[in-house]
Amino acid sequence: AQSVTQLDSQVPVFEEAPVELRCNYSSSVSVYLFWYVQYPNQGLQLLLKYLSGSTLVESINGFEAEFNKSQTSFHLRKPSVHISDTAEYFCAVTETGANNLFFGTGTRLTVIP
Amino acid sequence: KAGVTQTPRYLIKTRGQQVTLSCSPISGHRSVSWYQQTPGQGLQFLFEYFSETQRNKGNFPGRFSGRQFSNSRSEMNVSTLELGDSALYLCASSSAGANVLTFGAGSRLTVL
Repeated sequence: AQSVTQLDSQVPVFEEAPVELRCNYSSSVSVYLFWYVQYPNQGLQLLLKYLSGSTLVESINGFEAEFNKSQTSFHLRKPSVHISDTAEYFCAVTETGANNLFFGTGTRLTVIP
Repeated sequence: KAGVTQTPRYLIKTRGQQVTLSCSPISGHRSVSWYQQTPGQGLQFLFEYFSETQRNKGNFPGRFSGRQFSNSRSEMNVSTLELGDSALYLCASSSAGANVLTFGAGSRLTVL
């Protein structure tokens, strides 16, 4: 089975500062990796995904994540955050070809004006 | 294109009752998955249905069940409700072979 560790439960950061949300996974098989974002009282929205190919993946709103197989990591980064980025971020992993996601415990990102 | 629709959005039940939640996937999506989200346990996979067949199942007791209809709509049922079943239940759909889930807004169940 797979598992995900998000070490930081809360990350406060000032507006326009860079941020990194850490994600490490454990798996004995090939995996797909995802970052989802959840705003209050809403479901999960896909932020970005790694399925294959380039290890650096980007979202349309400036986030990026890099798949590092040797370190079993998939950290999420943004060079300059906005107030609207305040939300909870979940890293998830699944076995290649499967749909049952294993989620981390989430990181609450709070952007301070 | 309409997203994943879950009904009801909020509901309150008492211990011992049963509840049925509904999920309408994105048109053309044949896979529907269900997840439970609680503050204590986080997000946990319940089960996945594809073409009316349960394809995968998480580690939940038999009180949790589901089904999928020929139009890909899915329902999940929880019988003999317990206080610990209070949670946000999320449904997600995906197209065949896509491995990317689109989630609904969830059904928030409160058990008193």
